[in-house]
Amino acid sequence: DAKTTQPPSMDCAEGRAANLPCNHSTISGNEYVYWYRQIHSQGPQYIIHGLKNNETNEMASLIITEDRKSSTLILPHATLRDTAVYYCIVRIGGSQGNLIFGKGTKLSVKP
Amino acid sequence: NAGVTQTPKFQVLKTGQSMTLQCAQDMNHEYMSWYRQDPGMGLRLIHYSVGAGITDQGEVPNGYNVSRSTTEDFPLRLLSAAPSQTSVYFCASSSTPVSSPWETQYFGPGTRLLVL
Repeated sequence: DAKTTQPPSMDCAEGRAANLPCNHSTISGNEYVYWYRQIHSQGPQYIIHGLKNNETNEMASLIITEDRKSSTLILPHATLRDTAVYYCIVRIGGSQGNLIFGKGTKLSVKP
Repeated sequence: NAGVTQTPKFQVLKTGQSMTLQCAQDMNHEYMSWYRQDPGMGLRLIHYSVGAGITDQGEVPNGYNVSRSTTEDFPLRLLSAAPSQTSVYFCASSSTPVSSPWETQYFGPGTRLLVL
């Protein structure tokens, strides 16, 4: 699985968009980009995933660059409840098993 | 659906004691796994199972045993607890697709273990 690089921490004002970057310069053609988050003391929660195209669901949007070497998770209107550690994970589609978590980005949403 | 459940929520052990962390899921998922999370760290995979009767080691398997006799349950056993096993333990499950992207994993609420 390709290695990912994320900033260790970010701040965002409540109600503003939170843009969380992730670099995955060694990603291969059959690897998907997944985002999970972990709110303090809870189990990780799936947010979104994508391959090439930009994706949107009820929680967030995922923007993947054309060369697929980086991506951005966008929380359009961050709330205090979005304060969490966000993990960007690259994984081969259709493969079984194991998520490899790095240290992620600690997002702090401030009033 | 209850999703993924874990018991106990908290446990304190003395060095050398044994115990079993329970994990159950009611989503008929084939894939289950155990992770541990230490302060300031991401999650590390301990053991995983792709179906009943099949288990395999993850990144940090030493000191832990697992078995998978049913689809629903995936207990994690500490044979002789050590202070280095003080951690938060998460169980997760997912379906195992054949031709579609890997399904999302659902995590339990965690078990906080302190070994003295």
